[in-house]
Amino acid sequence: QKEVEQNSGPLSVPEGAIASLNCTYSDRGSQSFFWYRQYSGKSPELIMSIYSNGDKEDGRFTAQLNKASQYVSLLIRDSQPSDSATYLCAVDSPGAGSYQLTFGKGTKLSVIP
Amino acid sequence: GAVVSQHPSRVICKSGTSVKIECRSLDFQATTMFWYRQFPKQSLMLMATSNEGSKATYEQGVEKDKFLINHASLTLSTLTVTSAHPEDSSFYICSVDLQGADGYTFGSGTRLTVV
Repeated sequence: QKEVEQNSGPLSVPEGAIASLNCTYSDRGSQSFFWYRQYSGKSPELIMSIYSNGDKEDGRFTAQLNKASQYVSLLIRDSQPSDSATYLCAVDSPGAGSYQLTFGKGTKLSVIP
Repeated sequence: GAVVSQHPSRVICKSGTSVKIECRSLDFQATTMFWYRQFPKQSLMLMATSNEGSKATYEQGVEKDKFLINHASLTLSTLTVTSAHPEDSSFYICSVDLQGADGYTFGSGTRLTVV
């Protein structure tokens, strides 16, 4: 059973602060790791992808991957109210005939103006 | 990035009827598409993997005779919820694997309400 675990939150941070989101996964065969943002009633949109150990930065977002610890994180710097959403960690690993995404339950982030 | 169009965005149907949801990959030929279901305050759960020209692969616990998937072309997959019941009310989302750094892209989702 592949599992992706996230704190459900809610995580509240003041505007301008750093929001830190964490995720662990169970399948060591996982190859690719993604962070999606989902606004209420909408479908997920890709924020970051990461494939190798270390940090990957894109604007205000930094993803961190540690395969030995089976841990992925997302840092959001200078958090804005528009960042308020549910953040889904997703892990791509071999499934029945193809790779499949397994999602965590998501962390709800609230950025307080 | 690739665009995935999903239709309809919302549908209300009576219990016992069938509903068809379409997922189109507008600028990417997708041999594989994925169908997810999301209940309120829950995460996305993979229902099935749709394979162009062959049978879909269903996840454990998903009834293949109830959720019919057809992937007749590289740009279109359909999910038909047959004999819908109120417990099938959910947010259904399709996804395409872009097989690269762009990861997976999602359709806009279909909110199904069975009354």
